[in-house]
Amino acid sequence: DLQMTQSPSTLSASVGDRVTITCRASQSIGTWLAWFQQKPGKAPNVLIYKASSLESGVPFRFSGSGSGTEFTLTISSLQPDDFATYYCQQYDAYPLTFGGGTKVEIK
Amino acid sequence: QVQLVQSGAEVKKPGASVKVSCRASGYPFTTYFLHWVRQSPGQGLEWMGVINPSDGSTIYAQRFLGRATMTRDTSTTTVYMELSSLRSEDTAVYYCARSSQQLVRSWGQGTLVTVSS
Repeated sequence: DLQMTQSPSTLSASVGDRVTITCRASQSIGTWLAWFQQKPGKAPNVLIYKASSLESGVPFRFSGSGSGTEFTLTISSLQPDDFATYYCQQYDAYPLTFGGGTKVEIK
Repeated sequence: QVQLVQSGAEVKKPGASVKVSCRASGYPFTTYFLHWVRQSPGQGLEWMGVINPSDGSTIYAQRFLGRATMTRDTSTTTVYMELSSLRSEDTAVYYCARSSQQLVRSWGQGTLVTVSS
Protein backbone atom coordinates (compact mmCIF):
# COMPACT_ATOMS: atom_id res chain seq x y z
CA ASP A 1 0.00 0.00 0.00
CA LEU A 2 1.08 3.57 -0.63
CA GLN A 3 2.15 5.26 2.60
CA MET A 4 1.58 8.99 3.11
CA THR A 5 3.75 10.75 5.66
CA GLN A 6 2.80 14.21 6.84
CA SER A 7 4.86 16.68 8.82
CA PRO A 8 4.69 18.26 11.25
CA SER A 9 2.01 16.48 13.26
CA THR A 10 1.30 19.66 15.21
CA LEU A 11 2.00 23.25 14.28
CA SER A 12 1.60 26.31 16.50
CA ALA A 13 1.11 29.56 14.61
CA SER A 14 -0.37 33.03 14.92
CA VAL A 15 -2.97 34.81 12.83
CA GLY A 16 -1.23 36.24 9.78
CA ASP A 17 1.56 33.66 9.71
CA ARG A 18 2.55 31.79 6.58
CA VAL A 19 2.14 28.07 7.21
CA THR A 20 3.51 25.13 5.25
CA ILE A 21 2.62 21.47 5.68
CA THR A 22 4.50 18.70 3.92
CA CYS A 23 3.30 15.34 2.66
CA ARG A 24 5.51 12.59 1.29
CA ALA A 25 4.35 9.53 -0.64
CA SER A 26 6.18 6.20 -0.41
CA GLN A 27 6.18 5.99 -4.22
CA SER A 28 5.31 8.33 -7.06
CA ILE A 29 1.65 9.29 -7.33
CA GLY A 30 1.99 11.89 -10.06
CA THR A 31 -0.29 14.72 -8.96
CA TRP A 32 -3.08 12.53 -7.61
CA LEU A 33 -3.06 14.21 -4.23
CA ALA A 34 -5.75 16.05 -2.29
CA TRP A 35 -5.64 18.16 0.87
CA PHE A 36 -8.53 18.17 3.35
CA GLN A 37 -9.39 20.40 6.29
CA GLN A 38 -11.27 18.93 9.22
CA LYS A 39 -12.77 20.73 12.21
CA PRO A 40 -13.82 18.95 15.41
CA GLY A 41 -17.03 16.97 15.05
CA LYS A 42 -17.26 17.63 11.31
CA ALA A 43 -16.51 15.68 8.14
CA PRO A 44 -13.41 16.65 6.17
CA ASN A 45 -13.67 19.24 3.39
CA VAL A 46 -11.50 19.16 0.28
CA LEU A 47 -9.30 22.24 -0.18
CA ILE A 48 -6.93 21.21 -2.96
CA TYR A 49 -7.11 18.44 -5.56
CA LYS A 50 -4.70 17.23 -8.21
CA ALA A 51 -1.91 18.59 -6.00
CA SER A 52 -2.42 22.26 -6.88
CA SER A 53 -6.02 22.88 -8.01
CA LEU A 54 -8.07 24.98 -5.63
CA GLU A 55 -11.51 23.57 -4.87
CA SER A 56 -14.37 25.91 -5.70
CA GLY A 57 -15.21 28.20 -2.81
CA VAL A 58 -11.91 27.72 -0.99
CA PRO A 59 -10.07 30.96 -0.16
CA PHE A 60 -7.08 31.89 -2.32
CA ARG A 61 -4.77 31.93 0.72
CA PHE A 62 -4.67 28.12 0.37
CA SER A 63 -2.32 26.69 -2.24
CA GLY A 64 -0.78 23.34 -3.04
CA SER A 65 2.30 22.28 -4.92
CA GLY A 66 4.39 19.25 -5.74
CA SER A 67 4.39 16.10 -7.80
CA GLY A 68 5.76 12.60 -7.62
CA THR A 69 6.47 12.00 -3.94
CA GLU A 70 6.77 15.46 -2.34
CA PHE A 71 3.85 17.82 -1.78
CA THR A 72 3.14 20.93 0.24
CA LEU A 73 0.08 22.81 1.42
CA THR A 74 0.63 26.50 2.11
CA ILE A 75 -1.63 28.94 3.89
CA SER A 76 -0.31 32.36 2.95
CA SER A 77 -1.80 34.28 5.87
CA LEU A 78 -3.39 32.21 8.61
CA GLN A 79 -6.90 33.28 9.60
CA PRO A 80 -8.85 32.41 12.77
CA ASP A 81 -11.08 30.05 10.77
CA ASP A 82 -8.03 28.05 9.64
CA PHE A 83 -7.23 26.50 13.00
CA ALA A 84 -8.08 22.89 12.23
CA THR A 85 -6.52 19.56 11.28
CA TYR A 86 -5.25 19.03 7.74
CA TYR A 87 -4.84 15.72 5.92
CA CYS A 88 -3.25 14.81 2.64
CA GLN A 89 -4.64 11.87 0.68
CA GLN A 90 -3.44 10.03 -2.39
CA TYR A 91 -6.02 8.90 -4.91
CA ASP A 92 -3.66 7.43 -7.46
CA ALA A 93 -4.49 3.87 -6.48
CA TYR A 94 -6.56 1.75 -4.15
CA PRO A 95 -6.42 1.51 -1.23
CA LEU A 96 -6.81 5.26 -0.88
CA THR A 97 -4.51 6.39 1.91
CA PHE A 98 -4.32 9.44 4.12
CA GLY A 99 -1.47 11.15 5.87
CA GLY A 100 -1.52 11.15 9.65
CA GLY A 101 -2.76 14.72 9.87
CA THR A 102 -1.37 18.10 10.95
CA LYS A 103 -3.13 19.97 13.72
CA VAL A 104 -2.74 23.73 13.36
CA GLU A 105 -3.03 25.33 16.79
CA ILE A 106 -3.12 28.90 18.02
CA LYS A 107 0.28 30.06 19.27
CA GLN B 1 -27.43 19.47 -4.24
CA VAL B 2 -25.56 16.33 -3.28
CA GLN B 3 -26.67 14.96 0.08
CA LEU B 4 -25.46 11.90 1.92
CA VAL B 5 -27.51 11.20 5.03
CA GLN B 6 -26.30 8.49 7.36
CA SER B 7 -28.08 6.45 9.99
CA GLY B 8 -27.83 7.26 13.67
CA ALA B 9 -25.35 6.32 16.36
CA GLU B 10 -25.03 2.70 17.43
CA VAL B 11 -23.79 0.95 20.56
CA LYS B 12 -22.73 -2.66 20.12
CA LYS B 13 -21.14 -5.38 22.22
CA PRO B 14 -17.86 -7.02 21.23
CA GLY B 15 -18.42 -9.81 18.72
CA ALA B 16 -21.61 -8.28 17.34
CA SER B 17 -22.17 -6.74 13.91
CA VAL B 18 -23.25 -3.25 12.91
CA LYS B 19 -24.86 -2.05 9.69
CA VAL B 20 -24.61 1.64 8.82
CA SER B 21 -26.65 3.16 6.02
CA CYS B 22 -26.02 6.14 3.77
CA ARG B 23 -28.85 7.54 1.66
CA ALA B 24 -27.74 9.53 -1.38
CA SER B 25 -29.76 12.22 -3.12
CA GLY B 26 -29.33 15.15 -5.47
CA TYR B 27 -27.52 13.29 -8.25
CA PRO B 28 -27.78 10.11 -10.38
CA PHE B 29 -27.09 7.40 -7.81
CA THR B 30 -25.39 4.91 -10.12
CA THR B 31 -22.96 7.44 -11.60
CA TYR B 32 -20.56 7.94 -8.68
CA PHE B 33 -18.69 5.53 -6.44
CA LEU B 34 -19.33 5.65 -2.70
CA HIS B 35 -16.60 5.10 -0.13
CA TRP B 36 -16.48 4.34 3.58
CA VAL B 37 -13.89 6.06 5.74
CA ARG B 38 -13.61 5.76 9.50
CA GLN B 39 -12.01 7.85 12.21
CA SER B 40 -11.24 6.49 15.66
CA PRO B 41 -11.50 8.96 18.56
CA GLY B 42 -8.73 11.52 18.32
CA GLN B 43 -7.15 9.68 15.41
CA GLY B 44 -6.73 10.09 11.67
CA LEU B 45 -8.78 8.99 8.68
CA GLU B 46 -8.79 5.39 7.50
CA TRP B 47 -10.22 4.28 4.15
CA MET B 48 -12.23 1.07 4.40
CA GLY B 49 -13.45 0.44 0.89
CA VAL B 50 -15.59 1.53 -2.03
CA ILE B 51 -18.70 0.35 -3.83
CA ASN B 52 -19.80 0.98 -7.39
CA PRO B 53 -23.56 1.57 -7.08
CA SER B 54 -24.03 0.73 -10.74
CA ASP B 55 -23.15 -2.96 -10.42
CA GLY B 56 -22.49 -3.44 -6.72
CA SER B 57 -18.82 -4.28 -7.21
CA THR B 58 -16.56 -3.53 -4.27
CA ILE B 59 -12.94 -3.01 -3.29
CA TYR B 60 -11.92 -3.33 0.34
CA ALA B 61 -8.84 -2.31 2.25
CA GLN B 62 -6.88 -5.43 3.12
CA ARG B 63 -7.45 -5.11 6.87
CA PHE B 64 -11.25 -5.16 6.41
CA LEU B 65 -11.41 -8.06 3.96
CA GLY B 66 -13.77 -10.69 5.30
CA ARG B 67 -15.12 -8.43 8.04
CA ALA B 68 -16.67 -5.51 6.13
CA THR B 69 -19.44 -5.89 3.57
CA MET B 70 -20.64 -3.00 1.41
CA THR B 71 -23.93 -3.28 -0.45
CA ARG B 72 -26.36 -0.98 -2.20
CA ASP B 73 -30.07 -0.69 -2.87
CA THR B 74 -30.73 1.22 -6.06
CA SER B 75 -34.46 1.49 -5.34
CA THR B 76 -33.79 3.60 -2.25
CA THR B 77 -30.43 5.08 -3.41
CA THR B 78 -28.85 3.78 -0.24
CA VAL B 79 -25.52 2.12 0.42
CA TYR B 80 -24.76 0.03 3.47
CA MET B 81 -21.61 -0.90 5.33
CA GLU B 82 -21.78 -3.90 7.65
CA LEU B 83 -18.86 -4.63 9.96
CA SER B 84 -18.81 -7.93 11.81
CA SER B 85 -16.90 -9.39 14.78
CA LEU B 86 -16.72 -5.96 16.37
CA ARG B 87 -13.99 -5.18 18.89
CA SER B 88 -13.30 -2.13 21.00
CA GLU B 89 -10.82 -0.84 18.40
CA ASP B 90 -13.73 -0.49 15.94
CA THR B 91 -15.17 2.34 18.03
CA ALA B 92 -15.11 5.20 15.52
CA VAL B 93 -17.07 7.64 13.43
CA TYR B 94 -17.89 6.02 10.10
CA TYR B 95 -18.33 8.28 7.08
CA CYS B 96 -19.71 7.57 3.65
CA ALA B 97 -18.34 9.78 0.91
CA ARG B 98 -18.92 10.21 -2.81
CA SER B 99 -16.05 10.37 -5.27
CA SER B 100 -15.53 11.63 -8.77
CA GLN B 101 -12.53 10.02 -10.49
CA GLN B 102 -11.50 8.71 -7.08
CA LEU B 103 -11.42 12.20 -5.53
CA VAL B 104 -13.70 12.19 -2.49
CA ARG B 105 -15.59 15.46 -2.47
CA SER B 106 -18.89 14.97 -0.69
CA TRP B 107 -19.23 13.44 2.76
CA GLY B 108 -22.04 12.22 4.96
CA GLN B 109 -22.40 13.59 8.48
CA GLY B 110 -20.80 10.55 10.06
CA THR B 111 -22.15 7.77 12.28
CA LEU B 112 -20.62 7.05 15.68
CA VAL B 113 -20.31 3.35 16.41
CA THR B 114 -19.35 2.51 19.98
CA VAL B 115 -18.23 -1.01 20.84
CA SER B 116 -18.40 -1.66 24.56
CA SER B 117 -19.27 -4.51 26.85
